[in-house]
Amino acid sequence: AQSVTQPDIHITVSEGASLELRCNYSYGATPYLFWYVQSPGQGLQLLLKYFSGDTLVQGIKGFEAEFKRSQSSFNLRKPSVHWSDAAEYFCVDKTSGLGGTSYGKLTFGQGTILTVHP
Amino acid sequence: EAGVVQSPRYKIIEKKQPVAFWCNPISGHNTLYWYLQNLGQGPELLIRYENEEAVDDSQLPKDRFSAERLKGVDSTLKIQPAELGDSAVYLCASSLYSGQGVTGELFFGEGSRLTVL
Repeated sequence: AQSVTQPDIHITVSEGASLELRCNYSYGATPYLFWYVQSPGQGLQLLLKYFSGDTLVQGIKGFEAEFKRSQSSFNLRKPSVHWSDAAEYFCVDKTSGLGGTSYGKLTFGQGTILTVHP
Repeated sequence: EAGVVQSPRYKIIEKKQPVAFWCNPISGHNTLYWYLQNLGQGPELLIRYENEEAVDDSQLPKDRFSAERLKGVDSTLKIQPAELGDSAVYLCASSLYSGQGVTGELFFGEGSRLTVL
């Protein structure tokens, strides 16, 4: 079964500092990977996604993520954090492939809560 | 374009009472999902619909939970009777299905927060 691990439950950074949120996925032939952000009281919003091609993907709000198959990782980065980035971040893997009831199913990591200090 | 709409946003009930949540997906999205999100955890799939057919309900506790998606558009998730452990946020999401075994990105509603006393 697919699994996603976010090793850091809570991260605190200062505004303006760089950020990296870690994500590891269980091996899959064709991983479809996403990062979603959830602000308090808000719905989940897609930051970026990786399906194939360039392993460095750019997203909204200045975020980027790099897919590394050798490390089974898809870490999220931002060079300079803003106070408005404080939220919970979820790394997500989508089961791919043809047929079966499991295709298209999203597997969420447990989330990383980001706190930003002024 | 309107996003995924859920109601109610908040619901407080006593245990053993019934409760229902409604979801209106993005227009044209044929795939609809209900997710359960407990505090401090990532969402977990309850049920997934392709049009009006429930194609994956393996995680739905069928003794007390039920869902329907009549006409393949709106969906309702019901709990009867509710238990204390059902307190959580219930998320609805929708996406386009390509028909080739691949679904597009999911768009989520803001969720319905249930508190069972």
